[in-house]
Amino acid sequence: DAKTTQPNSMESNEEEPVHLPCNHSTISGTDYIHWYRQLPSQGPEYVIHGLTSNVNNRMASLAIAEDRKSSTLILHRATLRDAAVYYCILRDYYNNAGNMLTFGGGTRLMVKP
Amino acid sequence: DAGVIQSPRHEVTEMGQEVTLRCKPISGHNSLFWYRQTMMRGLELLIYFNNNVPIDDSGMPEDRFSAKMPNASFSTLKIQPSEPRDSAVYFCASSLMAGKGTEAFFGQGTRLTVV
Repeated sequence: DAKTTQPNSMESNEEEPVHLPCNHSTISGTDYIHWYRQLPSQGPEYVIHGLTSNVNNRMASLAIAEDRKSSTLILHRATLRDAAVYYCILRDYYNNAGNMLTFGGGTRLMVKP
Repeated sequence: DAGVIQSPRHEVTEMGQEVTLRCKPISGHNSLFWYRQTMMRGLELLIYFNNNVPIDDSGMPEDRFSAKMPNASFSTLKIQPSEPRDSAVYFCASSLMAGKGTEAFFGQGTRLTVV
C-alpha cells in the first residue's frame, strides 16, 4: 500500500509563493499523484494531479521529481483563502484497491497577512 | 450537475437511536466513498463502492455501521444503534474510475451529534 509523507504544518506570507512537499518513495508505476485541500468547515476539494510530467492549472502547479519519489505542490501567490489542510494522495485507477482515496494527515498551511 | 448531495446537513440524535445518512453522487460517476472526520482521527475512509459494489469496507468501525448502494444514484450509511463516539462529520465523495477525469468531488458533509 503506497503511502505519502508530508510536513504537519507550514507557514507562508500572503502573496508569496508556497512550496508544499510530499514524499512517496514507494510509488508504483501506475500511481497518479493527487492533491486535495480542505478549507475550514468544508469538504475536501480537488487541486491537481499528475503522473510523470509537471502540471499546471488555475489553482496550482505540480512539480514531480524525475524518479517520482517526491512531488511539490506550488501555490504561486498565497492568499488568505489558501489557508487549508493540503493532502497528497497516491491513486491507481486501474485496480480496485489502488483506486481508494485514502487521506493521511496532510499539511496545515497557515498564511500570514 | 449540482454536485454530490448529502442529507441531512445536521443530525442530532439520542444514543441508541438509528441514524441514516444519505448521499447522491454525481451522475455518471462509478466510484463512491464514505468518510468520517474527527479532530482526533482526521479523515477516515469507511467504505468504497465501485459500480455499486462494495470493494473495501475495512474502515467501517464495527457492526453497528452498514452502507448500501442500491443503484448508481444513491447510497446510505446507517448506524444502529448510535453512540456518542460516533459524533463526527461524515462525507460522501464520488469520482470516475480508470483514467477519465478522476478527481473526486465531495459533498458538504453531515454533522452528526449523538447525545
